[in-house]
Amino acid sequence: DTGVSQNPRHKITKRGQNVTFRCDPISEHNRLYWYRQTLGQGPEFLTYFQNEAQLEKSRLLSDRFSAERPKGSFSTLEIQRTEQGDSAMYLCASSPRQGYYGYTFGSGTRLTVV
Amino acid sequence: QQQVKQSPQSLIVQKGGISIINCAYENTAFDYFPWYQQFPGKGPALLIAIRPDVSEKKEGRFTISFNKSAKQFSLHIMDSQPGDSATYFCAASTGTASKLTFGTGTRLQVTL
Repeated sequence: DTGVSQNPRHKITKRGQNVTFRCDPISEHNRLYWYRQTLGQGPEFLTYFQNEAQLEKSRLLSDRFSAERPKGSFSTLEIQRTEQGDSAMYLCASSPRQGYYGYTFGSGTRLTVV
Repeated sequence: QQQVKQSPQSLIVQKGGISIINCAYENTAFDYFPWYQQFPGKGPALLIAIRPDVSEKKEGRFTISFNKSAKQFSLHIMDSQPGDSATYFCAASTGTASKLTFGTGTRLQVTL
């Protein structure tokens, strides 16, 4: 399967706990994006990487959120001290390079904070 | 600040009919306008995209119409099928930034 892979698919956590999600992009894609989608809304941009460099972060990405892409391959998104408002679908996408290319999205990680 | 406004929120169309979803944008720097289709439990999948140097693009049953002066674009699904029932999102970006700004989505239901 050469698509974008996200793990886990679902995560239930207690408020205050830390969680980490992983994204494996399409291997030849050097751009990787994280989006958050809440019920009934479109995806909202969080951050993106070109290779291992994090080029932009949204104001939505509070200090509790951190993302990494070591060696320009897979990426992780960590949320510290989770809050109920963090409950959402976290989507990862990749694209070949800068320019007019559509993303390929993964199936997402559904986070529920209880 | 909602930079891409999408309507309607939901749409019911009979099989064989035409589904039309509209989007309007504010940022004149946008120069890439894709449409995504999303099924429950899945990530969005790219359907079709257009750049503002053309007013229309057609791929199979899907057509994008683009009006640069009005800052509007729309998706037309011809001969709608029950398998088209999904949520559709318009989006916009600048080619250099590649960051997509999405609309709020349209839930399409195609009835028999």
